[in-house]
Amino acid sequence: KAGVTQTPRYLIKTRGQQVTLSCSPISGHRSVSWYQQTPGQGLQFLFEYFSETQRNKGNFPGRFSGRQFSNSRSEMNVSTLELGDSALYLCASSRDSWDTEAFFGQGTRLTVV
Amino acid sequence: QKEVEQNSGPLSVPEGAIASLNCTYSDRVSQSFFWYRQYSGKSPELIMSIYSNGDKEDGRFTAQLNKASQYVSLLIRDSQPSDSATYLCAFKSYIPTFGRGTSLIVHP
Repeated sequence: KAGVTQTPRYLIKTRGQQVTLSCSPISGHRSVSWYQQTPGQGLQFLFEYFSETQRNKGNFPGRFSGRQFSNSRSEMNVSTLELGDSALYLCASSRDSWDTEAFFGQGTRLTVV
Repeated sequence: QKEVEQNSGPLSVPEGAIASLNCTYSDRVSQSFFWYRQYSGKSPELIMSIYSNGDKEDGRFTAQLNKASQYVSLLIRDSQPSDSATYLCAFKSYIPTFGRGTSLIVHP
């Protein structure tokens, strides 16, 4: 059974650019949640999507957005990149909701220069 | 602001010993609790979930939950060097909230 797949694994972007990250959940999982992990702040929740609808949102600026497609794949977009956006971005998939156990992908390491 | 508190460690235990990792949380309505293991440079890996007061055992791992005290712990029996990692506890109320993690070092 394939796990959660995130692409790309690594990205280097310039300040002011935008970036789109992709996440394919485990087959049969309908919930995808996104996280930012940094040494200073730890693992922080960005948002969760279920059946193409955003269900919950963390405390991040509007530059961070996402969407989910009918096949449950999800994308996250960050516009007007700032140096502080450099982080490991993780997505997690779960069957119905985050509290039914969530499984993480390998992450996308974003570096903003 | 819902919070999760963990001792950052490192917690150092000898091989074969029991490692005890602790976590307290601030949200009294939380119903779902999780322990994740994260190796350096890797993504978090789910170890245990626990939803009810008491103990839940899975192999060498035992999770303990006490909702009245807002406390959840993870015991690792017969610790192995391969258990050396950062352990994150998490809970879900409105949104998922993670602790900063406890670094565990198991030395031979």
